[in-house]
Amino acid sequence: DTAVSQTPKYLVTQMGNDKSIKCEQNLGHDTMYWYKQDSKKFLKIMFSYNNKELIINETVPNRFSPKSPDKAHLNLHINSLELGDSAVYFCASSQQGRGPLRETQYFGPGTRLLVL
Amino acid sequence: KQEVTQIPAALSVPEGENLVLNCSFTDSAIYNLQWFRQDPGKGLTSLLLIQSSQREQTSGRLNASLDKSSGRSTLYIAASQPGDSATYLCAVGYGNKLVFGAGTILRVKS
Repeated sequence: DTAVSQTPKYLVTQMGNDKSIKCEQNLGHDTMYWYKQDSKKFLKIMFSYNNKELIINETVPNRFSPKSPDKAHLNLHINSLELGDSAVYFCASSQQGRGPLRETQYFGPGTRLLVL
Repeated sequence: KQEVTQIPAALSVPEGENLVLNCSFTDSAIYNLQWFRQDPGKGLTSLLLIQSSQREQTSGRLNASLDKSSGRSTLYIAASQPGDSATYLCAVGYGNKLVFGAGTILRVKS
């Protein structure tokens, strides 16, 4: 009965490859997020979607493209992977609507991406 | 610029001690503040959520306070246990996004 799940858990790939990370939530939430946690452990928002619509896009290179086929899924596709993309990527969801934050966020276990 | 700072970066205490983790933020126009716990190799677990109109929240042995005017929050952990060992993250809600601090790594020794 996992609330927010991500696949794969680990991803090791070569520079220049294209890869996808999948996220699913079974909490019935309307909003989903992607965060990046770098080597210094800072978590930074990348994208958020509300009911399949892009709400936040934080100066992320356009090699990163989120896709939300329905409100329970938010996938992250990364083209032409670079060394600097190595990080832990977390998916999260919340009952949050489009307005200012009021609700807590529930996080997935993370996907550890290593680009060689 | 909206920045969140957590002090100390790491803390090691013997079991049973009460302890305080600190979080400060540069922009006081916040909507809420959350404390999360992150265990190694795992995701984040929400501990406490304080709305901007509130001064504190309590859950079990945890108490979080918020002082918007001074840009500070504290997380108080009473009677610490080895199972409390983890990284504690403070996250400030600005508009529709969270800005995270770098975390405090807590180790409780038995």
